[in-house]
Amino acid sequence: EAGVTQSPTHLIKTRGQQATLRCSPISGHTSVYWYQQALGLGLQFLLWYDEGEERNRGNFPPRFSGRQFPNYSSELNVNALELEDSALYLCASSFRDRGPHEQYFGPGTRLTVT
Amino acid sequence: GENVEQHPSTLSVQEGDSAVIKCTYSDSASNYFPWYKQELGKRPQLIIDIRSNVGEKKDQRIAVTLNKTAKHFSLHITETQPEDSAVYFCAAIQLRWTGNQFYFGTGTSLTVIP
Repeated sequence: EAGVTQSPTHLIKTRGQQATLRCSPISGHTSVYWYQQALGLGLQFLLWYDEGEERNRGNFPPRFSGRQFPNYSSELNVNALELEDSALYLCASSFRDRGPHEQYFGPGTRLTVT
Repeated sequence: GENVEQHPSTLSVQEGDSAVIKCTYSDSASNYFPWYKQELGKRPQLIIDIRSNVGEKKDQRIAVTLNKTAKHFSLHITETQPEDSAVYFCAAIQLRWTGNQFYFGTGTSLTVIP
């Protein structure tokens, strides 16, 4: 069974640009979670999507947004990039009724803002 | 909101010794406490978890204890092995049907010295 996949692996952008990150969940999973892992700050919850809707978001500004498509894949958009947005962005998926109990992480997208 | 503190940030132990990592949380609404292991360059993986109605849980060399009154929980690894070297993250999660809230610690880098 294929795991969670993310693309691209690495992304380099300049300040002020927009970044788009993509995630494909494990087949059958309807929930997708996005996390930011910045150096020295651990994991921070960004967004949770399920059945195409945003269910919850963490303490991040509105320029962090996303969506979930009918096939349950998801996209994270970061507008007006700032230097401190440089981080590893992890996506995870699960069955909705399992929640974070059985949350499988993808390999991440390394975003570098220069 | 919730605040999760994790200590220590780095930990070195001799192979065969025990390692203990502690996390504290502030919001009594948190009711699920997973621990994740992240090896260098790899994705986080759930290694053990505990719900708020349980005081202790053990899985082979790994155990987690929870003190709800004091709002702290700990990860215990006994008979450590070099392959236990990784970054460990704790999390305090508020499981809600309307929207889970996720709060992570900043991580502990564990090094097991052969």
